Amino acid sequence: SAVISQKPSRDICQRGTSLTIQCQVDSQVTMMFWYRQQPGQSLTLIATANQGSEATYESGFVIDKFPISRPNLTFSTLTVSNMSPEDSSIYLCSVALGTWDTEAFFGQGTRLTVV
Amino acid sequence: SQKIEQNSEALNIQEGKTATLTCNYTNYSPAYLQWYRQDPGRGPVFLLLIRENEKEKRKERLKVTFDTTLKQSLFHITASQPADSATYLCAQGTGNQFYFGTGTSLTVIP
Repeated sequence: SAVISQKPSRDICQRGTSLTIQCQVDSQVTMMFWYRQQPGQSLTLIATANQGSEATYESGFVIDKFPISRPNLTFSTLTVSNMSPEDSSIYLCSVALGTWDTEAFFGQGTRLTVV
Repeated sequence: SQKIEQNSEALNIQEGKTATLTCNYTNYSPAYLQWYRQDPGRGPVFLLLIRENEKEKRKERLKVTFDTTLKQSLFHITASQPADSATYLCAQGTGNQFYFGTGTSLTVIP
């Protein structure tokens, strides 16, 4: 299994500012994933973060808005840039320990409110 | 594009009854499906995985079925308890990337 710590757990931010969310895993993993969960909705994959290369973004998400860092095999950050109220959401970090047919582990999430 | 749907946003059942949640997929044939539980303010927690060549998988009071003809997975909780109240998510995996359904909020009434 994997234990994932996310910080901050929640924040209230002014529009136009940026917030960086940190994700720490207790074991080395090749890929880390960032999801968004808007109020009352399911999880949407934002991007996949590989150590040593640029993140791969899903359709509808761009690097300028959601820059991701992956400096080593246990840590990643997601920045939500130039925030607007529409960015209010829960952001979740996730890992999977295998390469196929494997479960995902999640952090507790970061609840972001943009005012 | 891949699409995975759960056909009930909310389900209320009496304690002791069996809860049945449905997950349907279109436009592709997943090699496996997963079910997760999510409590308010927390990330999803893995419950069960079922592969396309498996008809049924059980874990304690949980049972999952996978019907590739109907393109559907059913998730059953037998002898339901109020502590089972949560949102349940179906997910399809490609490698180790996961795409989640819309979720079903289950409330077990004492």
